[in-house]
Amino acid sequence: EVQLVESGGGLVKPGGSLRLSCAASGFTFNSYSMNWVRQAPGKGLEWISYISSGGSTIYYADSVKGRFTISRDNAKNSLYLQMNSLRVEDTAVYYCAREITMIVVVNDYWGQGTLVTVSS
Amino acid sequence: DIQMTQSPSSLSASVGDRVTITCRASQSISSSLNWYQQKPGKALKVLMYAASSLQSGVPSRFSGSGSGTDFTLTISCLQPEDFATYYCQQTYSTPPTFGGGTKVEIK
Repeated sequence: EVQLVESGGGLVKPGGSLRLSCAASGFTFNSYSMNWVRQAPGKGLEWISYISSGGSTIYYADSVKGRFTISRDNAKNSLYLQMNSLRVEDTAVYYCAREITMIVVVNDYWGQGTLVTVSS
Repeated sequence: DIQMTQSPSSLSASVGDRVTITCRASQSISSSLNWYQQKPGKALKVLMYAASSLQSGVPSRFSGSGSGTDFTLTISCLQPEDFATYYCQQTYSTPPTFGGGTKVEIK
């Protein structure tokens, strides 16, 4: 069974840092690209970052570029998101999502998310 | 970035109703359109991919159609477990973008 479990969320002050983790199991992690998607309270979904299966290709949303860093450790079946210079508007539930191509690119499995609250 | 506009933002329906949700892209995205279901406290679930392909394990009462800029998700006979929020997503170009969501509530 495919499982994605996020951790590392919490309360942090503006300007602070946080590192999120996503533990993957039930599939060959190093064969899949991964994404981070977030959802502010009561709002819709916002894609924020992508990393290819081997880690060589990375993309970021403009809203987090220069502040967030995505990475992965295929030996540990883990995905990470280092978040620096956090802002109040970064408050959201952060999801990791597996990516697969089935005719088109699809996020076929998602974690249940970890809540990040940025507040003074 | 490609903007995705979903309508309605919410709707009330009864068990057994036919429900249609629409999604419009700000430019042509061919058939690169996916639909997801979100329930409180649960992981998002993909329902449809490539506009009209049913994800394995998803009930056949769900269907999707459209190409280019206009897409629809239809639930043919609403069941109690279908009350949830639905999102469309385009993966035609980076960044992938989502519609604002449609909350399906019990009438």
